[in-house]
Amino acid sequence: DTAVSQTPKYLVTQMGNDKSIKCEQNLGHDTMYWYKQDSKKFLKIMFSYNNKELIINETVPNRFSPKSPDKAHLNLHINSLELGDSAVYFCASTGGEAYEQYFGPGTRLTVT
Amino acid sequence: AQSVTQPDIHITVSEGASLELRCNYSYGATPYLFWYVQSPGQGLQLLLKYFSGDTLVQGIKGFEAEFKRSQSSFNLRKPSVHWSDAAEYFCAVGAPWRTPLVFGKGTRLSVIA
Repeated sequence: DTAVSQTPKYLVTQMGNDKSIKCEQNLGHDTMYWYKQDSKKFLKIMFSYNNKELIINETVPNRFSPKSPDKAHLNLHINSLELGDSAVYFCASTGGEAYEQYFGPGTRLTVT
Repeated sequence: AQSVTQPDIHITVSEGASLELRCNYSYGATPYLFWYVQSPGQGLQLLLKYFSGDTLVQGIKGFEAEFKRSQSSFNLRKPSVHWSDAAEYFCAVGAPWRTPLVFGKGTRLSVIA
């Protein structure tokens, strides 16, 4: 069973469109994250949710809106997509005493 | 604030040779340190982690890392590299209570015959 899954794996869309990326974890974790990996492979936190509540929101345009319907899911909705949004988006989760984060396979978003 | 520096952007080693990837961190308290590996087109896989205790930690795939507080370092090592180890390696630092990880910029490892 996949621990952290994301859909879709690839997303190609045009500027101005609205798109969503879904993330699910079956690890029973209470905290989930969205990270963005840019074209230079640099990984940076975007959002962090604990028990469905937003606890960290880095400097991210408000076109990005995360939603957590329950502890196992954290979705990312992006409005009015721009060329600069092209990146790989990773979902991750953590829980218990371990503090290690488990990452999903990533969603490669290409905006044309 | 936490930060991580991986001084080497790209390293090339011969198959069977030893490997050391450098990582330096900045954090005021005892850090939670991680090494992740990302194969081309893949997600991030945890190689090993350090929270406390023995400063030499063993991970998967024959990797190990040593925490040196005096040098603020957490270098990753492998005695004999295999071609399948070619990938991007990321060092990361975390903190208690679900704090997001801060990643270094990664080191790309190439393995030649």
